[in-house]
Amino acid sequence: NAGVTQTPKFRILKIGQSMTLQCTQDMNHNYMYWYRQDPGMGLKLIYYSVGAGITDKGEVPNGYNVSRSTTEDFPLRLELAAPSQTSVYFCASSPTEGSRYTFGSGTRLTVV
Amino acid sequence: KQEVTQIPAALSVPEGENLVLNCSFTDSAIYNLQWFRQDPGKGLTSLLLIQSSQREQTSGRLNASLDKSSGRSTLYIAASQPGDSATYLCAVWAGGFKTIFGAGTRLFVKA
Repeated sequence: NAGVTQTPKFRILKIGQSMTLQCTQDMNHNYMYWYRQDPGMGLKLIYYSVGAGITDKGEVPNGYNVSRSTTEDFPLRLELAAPSQTSVYFCASSPTEGSRYTFGSGTRLTVV
Repeated sequence: KQEVTQIPAALSVPEGENLVLNCSFTDSAIYNLQWFRQDPGKGLTSLLLIQSSQREQTSGRLNASLDKSSGRSTLYIAASQPGDSATYLCAVWAGGFKTIFGAGTRLFVKA
């Protein structure tokens, strides 16, 4: 009964470094999403996927990349980290579009 | 452009009080609205999803209402408990991947 699992929970990066945020779900959901949450703001969609091999940009995709080789996994890649990418990142999934979301517990990323 | 607003940003109430959280949206062309709960350092948990054709949804002590024409939704919490302390977010879905989240209302229930 794991739901959506994100790793790591915390990470500090130096400017210019790269990293991958991992996301795995065990509910066989086709739809997966990456959001970022900044203080006092609503969640912003970075990328989404409607199934293995299919991804598309959301509202704030610059500086990020994703892949979806399996139904279960949807990693988010940060290239050349910048201070503006300091945020809390959430992965989520849903069985269909517009249905109830299941969220992971988040990754708190600080870029210094 | 759809905007979702939740006022107030923070709310403190004594235990046992019934309370209402507000969510307003600028474009009434939505298919559904979800209410979420977020505990500190945790992800969001979906509490209720109300379809645009519905007026209300209930789950235990929670009741969500939706008035599309006025661009408003409320989340009613009955007999509040300290365990209800959390941030509550609403999100509207307008089709495709256009899910717009509010910034949330931080609720503190005092014992």
